[in-house]
Amino acid sequence: DTEVTQTPKHLVMGMTNKKSLKCEQHMGHRAMYWYKQKAKKPPELMFVYSYEKLSINESVPSRFSPECPNSSLLNLHLHALQPEDSALYLCASSQGGVSSYNEQFFGPGTRLTVL
Amino acid sequence: RKEVEQDPGPFNVPEGATVAFNCTYSNSASQSFFWYRQDCRKEPKLLMSVYSSGNEDGRFTAQLNRASQYISLLIRDSKLSDSATYLCVVNIGGKLIFGQGTELSVKP
Repeated sequence: DTEVTQTPKHLVMGMTNKKSLKCEQHMGHRAMYWYKQKAKKPPELMFVYSYEKLSINESVPSRFSPECPNSSLLNLHLHALQPEDSALYLCASSQGGVSSYNEQFFGPGTRLTVL
Repeated sequence: RKEVEQDPGPFNVPEGATVAFNCTYSNSASQSFFWYRQDCRKEPKLLMSVYSSGNEDGRFTAQLNRASQYISLLIRDSKLSDSATYLCVVNIGGKLIFGQGTELSVKP
């Protein structure tokens, strides 16, 4: 199994809703990442988990809350989002922990629309 | 100055053409380098890692010049299926820093 899966593919939510994005990989990778990508822009890093511990938070607003229940799963909990948070949310993983050398493999993303 | 800069494109080329993408990076602490491709409304997919010795994968050749902080990608005999956005990426301390991407459109 050489892929990263993400659910749901699409999500529409209101500003008062609470929802969660899910990411799973079975490659034995020990670093997992959340990125946000707006149209016609490159991905921007949000969070990094290394060996199931949060190692990087790129000053993301607290309405985004990551969780890593185990080495294969990564969640992103969403609460009280704003319309400008509408974007493609990408999960990625890489072998070993956070490393300056490893390539990252991306899931297909969740396209989020906040109304 | 952006950390990773690429030709903005778009590049419009006929099938069979050779096309070259250039990229520069500003942080000399960058430790690894990649080219990813991203199709419209899809996720970035790793195309190839880039090494100082240069590396080739079929029609694709990547080069890294650490002294000049310059990365390149050459695509030979371009196909319609090569149409995509090509992202130059550097890894600094485990964080991927992406260039803005160069859009390639290969026409029949």
